Amino acid sequence: GIQVEQSPPDLILQEGANSTLRCNFSDSVNNLQWFHQNPWGQLINLFYIPSGTKQNGRLSATTVATERYSLLYISSSQTTDSGVYFCAVGEGGGADGLTFGKGTHLIIQP
Amino acid sequence: DAGVTQSPTHLIKTRGQHVTLRCSPISGHKSVSWYQQVLGQGPQFIFQYYEKEERGRGNFPDRFSARQFPNYSSELNVNALLLGDSALYLCASSPGWGYEQYFGPGTRLTVT
Repeated sequence: GIQVEQSPPDLILQEGANSTLRCNFSDSVNNLQWFHQNPWGQLINLFYIPSGTKQNGRLSATTVATERYSLLYISSSQTTDSGVYFCAVGEGGGADGLTFGKGTHLIIQP
Repeated sequence: DAGVTQSPTHLIKTRGQHVTLRCSPISGHKSVSWYQQVLGQGPQFIFQYYEKEERGRGNFPDRFSARQFPNYSSELNVNALLLGDSALYLCASSPGWGYEQYFGPGTRLTVT
């Protein structure tokens, strides 16, 4: 099956800093989503971005499907941005289940 | 509009028992997927149901089963519970094939 690798696994930043999280995947996809998991386990949808670029406030994402990677940018980090960020991809075809990476654990210090 | 809802929130079971978890999708969504997340890992795909039929299955033993009802709600059943089944079980709904998936708050299962 498809492999998803996220980097870095851990990231510690000061409030106000910018960050870039990367997601590499091993095959073509028809679905790519970025999530933020809060301390209670809830997965919050950030972007649905199988290709192209999107922006939502301080967050933006870019997926280059031909090169099989996606980037999540967080600007002017706030302590509330802390948590685990997951990239998940869907291959399409016969099944629609998402394959998740191991996540990036982000800590924003005041 | 209500999001994806799951019940119960928490559950404690003993090894060998059976458990049923429930999920109600977002209104209008016809696809429901189930995922298992163990501590420190990303969620793993268990099942997908679309229009009441199983459309995908992950690498999980036959002790895991699911079904989708005419109102598109779903149940996940796990038989003969093992300690390793302790995890957060997440349900996701989507309008259909290949669309964005939205997750519920999860059911935290502890097997003792």
